[in-house]
Amino acid sequence: DTAVSQTPKYLVTQMGNDKSIKCEQNLGHDTMYWYKQDSKKFLKIMFSYNNKELIINETVPNRFSPKSPDKAHLNLHINSLELGDSAVYFCASSQGVGGAYGYTFGSGTRLTVV
Amino acid sequence: GENVEQHPSTLSVQEGDSAVIKCTYSDSASNYFPWYKQELGKRPQLIIDIRSNVGEKKDQRIAVTLNKTAKHFSLHITETQPEDSAVYFCAEGQGGKLIFGQGTELSVKP
Repeated sequence: DTAVSQTPKYLVTQMGNDKSIKCEQNLGHDTMYWYKQDSKKFLKIMFSYNNKELIINETVPNRFSPKSPDKAHLNLHINSLELGDSAVYFCASSQGVGGAYGYTFGSGTRLTVV
Repeated sequence: GENVEQHPSTLSVQEGDSAVIKCTYSDSASNYFPWYKQELGKRPQLIIDIRSNVGEKKDQRIAVTLNKTAKHFSLHITETQPEDSAVYFCAEGQGGKLIFGQGTELSVKP
């Protein structure tokens, strides 16, 4: 069983489209995250949720909207995609309070906007 | 501020040599410091972590040291092997999240 599963693995889409990425964890963790990894490999946090509650929104454009229907799922919807959104998006989860324990990452979604 | 400085950005060693990667963090209240290894096209994976109540932790060929006074922590890999080649990230637990360093691309030449 994959601990943190993310779909899709690859996403190629045109500018202006709307797309979603899904994430599920079966570790029983309390906190889930979205991170963006740019072409220079830098990992930057976008959002975190603890038990379905939004905890961190790191000055991400309004076009990005996370949704957590329950503590095992955290999805990311992106409206009006732009070229600069091209990156690898990683979902992650951790036990307890964010930043106090290690993350388990999903396999990533490579988003390419053309 | 929220910043973790990681050096070097690239590191090339011969198989069997040691490799050291260093990080400096900003928040003196932080007390959790993990290290991640990311192979090409894969997810980052936790390889070792340290909390502020200890100064050193070792797991086989990898070790991490922490100097809270200087706000430095380092990853040491001994007897490097080609499969150690990857990008390594340090991180600082702060403000409900992990803040990552910029990454070090380690290349181990056979």
